[in-house]
Amino acid sequence: DGGITQSPKYLFRKEGQNVTLSCEQNLNHDAMYWYRQDPGQGLRLIYYSQIVNDFQKGDIAEGYSVSREKKESFPLTVTSAQKNPTAFYLCASSDEGSYTEAFFGQGTRLTVV
Amino acid sequence: GIQVEQSPPDLILQEGANSTLRCNFSDSVNNLQWFHQNPWGQLINLFYIPSGTKQNGRLSATTVATERYSLLYISSSQTTDSGVYFCAVRITGGGNKLTFGTGTQLKVEL
Repeated sequence: DGGITQSPKYLFRKEGQNVTLSCEQNLNHDAMYWYRQDPGQGLRLIYYSQIVNDFQKGDIAEGYSVSREKKESFPLTVTSAQKNPTAFYLCASSDEGSYTEAFFGQGTRLTVV
Repeated sequence: GIQVEQSPPDLILQEGANSTLRCNFSDSVNNLQWFHQNPWGQLINLFYIPSGTKQNGRLSATTVATERYSLLYISSSQTTDSGVYFCAVRITGGGNKLTFGTGTQLKVEL
């Protein structure tokens, strides 16, 4: 089946630890995105990538890092510098260009304990 | 940056009722999508509608890009329609960046 797979579904992290969230797509999309959602809030863009080996900061990139070494993969690392990392993280992908439809994975719920 | 406001923020309906959700945006856009976020957090694509009108079953959407708004119509609502509805836009000349609206929380009751 074509789609976007995020793993794990639930993730617990101790304060001060880095953690990496996985996002893989088999839709052959060029563009990929990471969003953060806090309870009762909308989605805010963390990072996006329009092509392999290139990515841009979104609105809330501080405390996060990404890589785009392969077209199908766009992992997100939540670093210890992120002051409030507990949130729901959503990954999306789309074809390159403005006139394209974005599709989302099922999300990862990260809790700092 | 672009502002994307949705109204109403919250809506409670009786099953079978109709409703209209609105998305206003502050800048010129060349792409607009409507999503439904289910209780498990999954974002379901409803419409890709940069302009014009589309219908899919009980749902339809209209985007008037020149006037900077889009409407989502839900007819004969069902309890499974409950959840949060988001619109998301790409601004003209903004590349791939997709900006989300504030959302409308819908609850459909029996």
